[in-house]
Amino acid sequence: GENVEQHPSTLSVQEGDSAVIKCTYSDSASNYFPWYKQELGKGPQLIIDIRSNVGEKKDQRIAVTLNKTAKHFSLHITETQPEDSAVYFCAASAISGSARQLTFGSGTQLTVLP
Amino acid sequence: KAGVTQTPRYLIKTRGQQVTLSCSPISGHRSVSWYQQTPGQGLQFLFEYFSETQRNKGNFPGRFSGRQFSNSRSEMNVSTLELGDSALYLCASSMTHTGELFFGEGSRLTVL
Repeated sequence: GENVEQHPSTLSVQEGDSAVIKCTYSDSASNYFPWYKQELGKGPQLIIDIRSNVGEKKDQRIAVTLNKTAKHFSLHITETQPEDSAVYFCAASAISGSARQLTFGSGTQLTVLP
Repeated sequence: KAGVTQTPRYLIKTRGQQVTLSCSPISGHRSVSWYQQTPGQGLQFLFEYFSETQRNKGNFPGRFSGRQFSNSRSEMNVSTLELGDSALYLCASSMTHTGELFFGEGSRLTVL
């Protein structure tokens, strides 16, 4: 089955700096890669996703890059703000015609220091 | 537009009991998935339902079961609870089984 590894497990940055979180996956059939942000006491919130037919996607301060050859994808947050502090999860999925399940990374606790 | 609603939010059970958790997906969404979140194992896939049919099942024992109703609402059941079943159970919905997945706030189960 799919295995997703996520690094680092904790990340502290100064407000205004950039943060980068990296994930690798094992199943070459995976073709959908979402990123989720989870705040304390809440469910994961989808912040950005990318499908295997594109290499990069950007949404304001957040961007995701995908390297299918190397089987890794990364989340980039620029101009970080204190409200970006949360746990971030990457995930991978092979979307077939009949079913889809997400395999999640272990999470990154991001702390943005004011 | 209302998000994914899960009930109850918190519950405490004792070993051997059974529990039923409920999930109401976003209006118009037909696919519902369930995930278990624990500090040790992280987020793990339980099962996915689409149009009242179980489409996929994760690697969990048969004590974990679910179903989906014609209005897309879903329930999951855990029988003969064990201490290790203590977790946050998350429901997620999407319009189709290839669309973006939106999670609810979860039901936090504590087994004593």
